[in-house]
Amino acid sequence: LAKTTQPISMDSYEGQEVNITCSHNNIATNDYITWYQQFPSQGPRFIIQGYKTKVTNEVASLFIPADRKSSTLSLPRVSLSDTAVYYCLVGDPFTGGGNKLTFGTGTQLKVEL
Amino acid sequence: DADVTQTPRNRITKTGKRIMLECSQTKGHDRMYWYRQDPGLGLRLIYYSFDVKDINKGEISDGYSVSRQAQAKFSLSLESAIPNQTALYFCATSDAGGERNTEAFFGQGTRLTVV
Repeated sequence: LAKTTQPISMDSYEGQEVNITCSHNNIATNDYITWYQQFPSQGPRFIIQGYKTKVTNEVASLFIPADRKSSTLSLPRVSLSDTAVYYCLVGDPFTGGGNKLTFGTGTQLKVEL
Repeated sequence: DADVTQTPRNRITKTGKRIMLECSQTKGHDRMYWYRQDPGLGLRLIYYSFDVKDINKGEISDGYSVSRQAQAKFSLSLESAIPNQTALYFCATSDAGGERNTEAFFGQGTRLTVV
């Protein structure tokens, strides 16, 4: 499984755009990149998934450069309610062994007024 | 009703006791997972099952066992609980195959304290 590296924590203010970068230097050809959000004492929640270039949904955007060795989760105009831990996962959704859903320690995002 | 239900939500048990945490899901997913979460350590995978006849160890399976009683049910047992198994436990499910099967759905968690 590709190992991922994220910043341990980030701070921001309401209304700002937040970009969280995940490094995954040994990503495999068939791996997808998935991001989850977790609030305290709750289970993680799927945010977005992508393979290459850019993916956007109602919550976030995911930017993946051509070499796919990193990815950036972009949260537009964050609010206090976006304070959470964000996890980056890398895995092949088409094979059982590659999709064990291994979470790391994530990035603690704190949004202030 | 929640798609993924864990019982109990909170449990205090004594060292050496056997305890079972239960998970049931209504999403019809084949894949189920058990994780534990400790402060500052993220989620660590204990066991996972890709169908009823499939059981696999995760990163930290020692001291735990699981049973996949049906597609919808996946239970986690601590045969002889010890204090360092005090943690928040999560069950999750995901669909099998296809582009979106990395989207996992989590239960509300079971807070276990071993005294």
